[in-house]
Amino acid sequence: GNSVTQMEGPVTLSEEAFLTINCTYTATGYPSLFWYVQYPGEGLQLLLKATKADDKGSNKGFEATYRKETTSFHLEKGSVQVSDSAVYFCALSPPRGTALIFGKGTTLSVSS
Amino acid sequence: NAGVMQNPRHLVRRRGQEARLRCSPMKGHSHVYWYRQLPEEGLKFMVYLQKENIIDESGMPKERFSAEFPKEGPSILRIQQVVRGDSAAYFCASSPNPPSGGSTDTQYFGPGTRLTVL
Repeated sequence: GNSVTQMEGPVTLSEEAFLTINCTYTATGYPSLFWYVQYPGEGLQLLLKATKADDKGSNKGFEATYRKETTSFHLEKGSVQVSDSAVYFCALSPPRGTALIFGKGTTLSVSS
Repeated sequence: NAGVMQNPRHLVRRRGQEARLRCSPMKGHSHVYWYRQLPEEGLKFMVYLQKENIIDESGMPKERFSAEFPKEGPSILRIQQVVRGDSAAYFCASSPNPPSGGSTDTQYFGPGTRLTVL
């Protein structure tokens, strides 16, 4: 079946630290991969996406590369800010599927 | 360009009452998805609808839950005889194209309705 596994949080960092949130997936075929961010009290916002192997999605300083050989889509940012504090969800869209399959989310807390 | 709209944002019901959650998709989007987020969990798919049709309800509980997306007006998720276990955040998403596993699969989410059952 299709599934997404993310590293458990919370992740606590100081401002300007380097961020990595690991995400691995299991899927039949070649899914599209997404990172969504949820700020406190709000809905999910699409952060970035990649639709085929070796694609790199990027937005707002965040990056993730679709690695087929390791079935991974790790989220990285070189220098986090306090405003990046949120819950980050990794998700996949399976081929010929309907729904997005989400990981459980990783809470990031950045302090100044 | 307004995003996905959901109302109410917060809904409190007593056990046994009915809950109605509304979702207006983004302009030009005719595909609507409902997800449920339980505390400390990721989002779980419930149902996918196009105008006047339920396409996939594989994630919907068999009893008490129903969804519709009429020709005119918002999509409605209806929960009858609510129980405490229904307390969750319910998110609606929309897309301009049907799901296909390709680059057109981006789903745009609303702010959610947080249902509390007393």
